[in-house]
Amino acid sequence: DSGVTQTPKHLITATGQRVTLRCSPRSGDLSVYWYQQSLDQGLQFLIQYYNGEERAKGNILERFSAQQFPDLHSELNLSSLELGDSALYFCASSVRDGGKDYTFGSGTRLTVV
Amino acid sequence: AQTVTQSQPEMSVQEAETVTLSCTYDTSENNYYLFWYKQPPSRQMILVIRQEAYKQQNATENRFSVNFQKAAKSFSLKISDSQLGDTAMYFCAFMKYYAGNMLTFGGGTRLMVKP
Repeated sequence: DSGVTQTPKHLITATGQRVTLRCSPRSGDLSVYWYQQSLDQGLQFLIQYYNGEERAKGNILERFSAQQFPDLHSELNLSSLELGDSALYFCASSVRDGGKDYTFGSGTRLTVV
Repeated sequence: AQTVTQSQPEMSVQEAETVTLSCTYDTSENNYYLFWYKQPPSRQMILVIRQEAYKQQNATENRFSVNFQKAAKSFSLKISDSQLGDTAMYFCAFMKYYAGNMLTFGGGTRLMVKP
């Protein structure tokens, strides 16, 4: 167990729907990162939050949004889902904003049908 | 922008043998980190080894070692005494020293260790 908890582990939903993926960082970690792993695009950085504030943005679609709450857990919201959004979504956490001490969660497998 | 290239989509090795996975990267940065991550069938991303660009000495972790060639922008992973549990996808990744510390991943190498 890495200490980073992602729920749910699996999610199957229909096109056009909206889903929320949840991430609880490792105890003491203030930064949360979201990554998407798909067959087409590989592993891509989506977005980072540090202590509740957005810090960096990668290749995140406008249909996707995220936030980090006061208890430091984070949610990734995916809306108007398309077949191509099917992927494994990882959350990672680290203590600081900047630094190399990443810990990954086990991911949420999203299937859009 | 940084790019990371893994030119070997698949590799295989016999148990107890040694295998080297290749990785090249492109960056204009002088200070950065390089990583190798392992992703077994369980999907978990597991850190194998990390190298800081300012360190000339190659990193080692038990059976895993790297050959870091900064001028050539090359970062290969050597796995000695390969074990069946080493069967996994291996990803090379780059991180700038500062600025949002996101990881840029290569496309991965699927390694099969054969008994």
